[in-house]
Amino acid sequence: AQSVTQLDSHVSVSEGTPVLLRCNYSSSYSPSLFWYVQHPNKGLQLLLKYTSAATLVKGINGFEAEFKKSETSFHLTKPSAHMSDAAEYFCVVRLTGFQKLVFGTGTRLLVSP
Amino acid sequence: DGGITQSPKYLFRKEGQNVTLSCEQNLNHDAMYWYRQDPGQGLRLIYYSQIVNDFQKGDIAEGYSVSREKKESFPLTVTSAQKNPTAFYLCASSIPVGANTGELFFGEGSRLTVL
Repeated sequence: AQSVTQLDSHVSVSEGTPVLLRCNYSSSYSPSLFWYVQHPNKGLQLLLKYTSAATLVKGINGFEAEFKKSETSFHLTKPSAHMSDAAEYFCVVRLTGFQKLVFGTGTRLLVSP
Repeated sequence: DGGITQSPKYLFRKEGQNVTLSCEQNLNHDAMYWYRQDPGQGLRLIYYSQIVNDFQKGDIAEGYSVSREKKESFPLTVTSAQKNPTAFYLCASSIPVGANTGELFFGEGSRLTVL
């Protein structure tokens, strides 16, 4: 079975400080991993994806994530938070070869001035 | 611009009524999906379709029905059998697995409230 755990339901940062959103996964296969962002009452937008190429993945809006197989983690980071980053972030895992995605429960990022 | 259009954005329903949510895409994607989102629970898969005239149940299909008569359209009906239908519903599409990594493209969602 595969699952994904987002370790924090809420993360609060100040504008200009680093962002760290944590995600751990469990999978018996080589997974594909994604981070999506959702602004209030909107759909989800892909931030970045890992598909067994480079372990450090760069995404849109300055976000990046590092795949660490030994730690089964795929944490999302950004060096400097912006007010517009305030949103909910979902870590998602997909078994290679299957359509089905498994979504984490989300982390709400709050950015204060 | 290509994308996914969901309508209506907000919908109110009385108990015992069926309601249909529309999802249209012009991305030429073969696969389409319906997800339900509740606070603190992430997204749960209701139904998905990999090709026209075919669809499969997801994790929480009870009380829902779908059709896929056209490649562009994948409407979801929330029936009166769905015990707790108040939620945010998201439609998504993708090109089939084997041709890509499974990235989904989402619509902006429909919020259903049962009065």
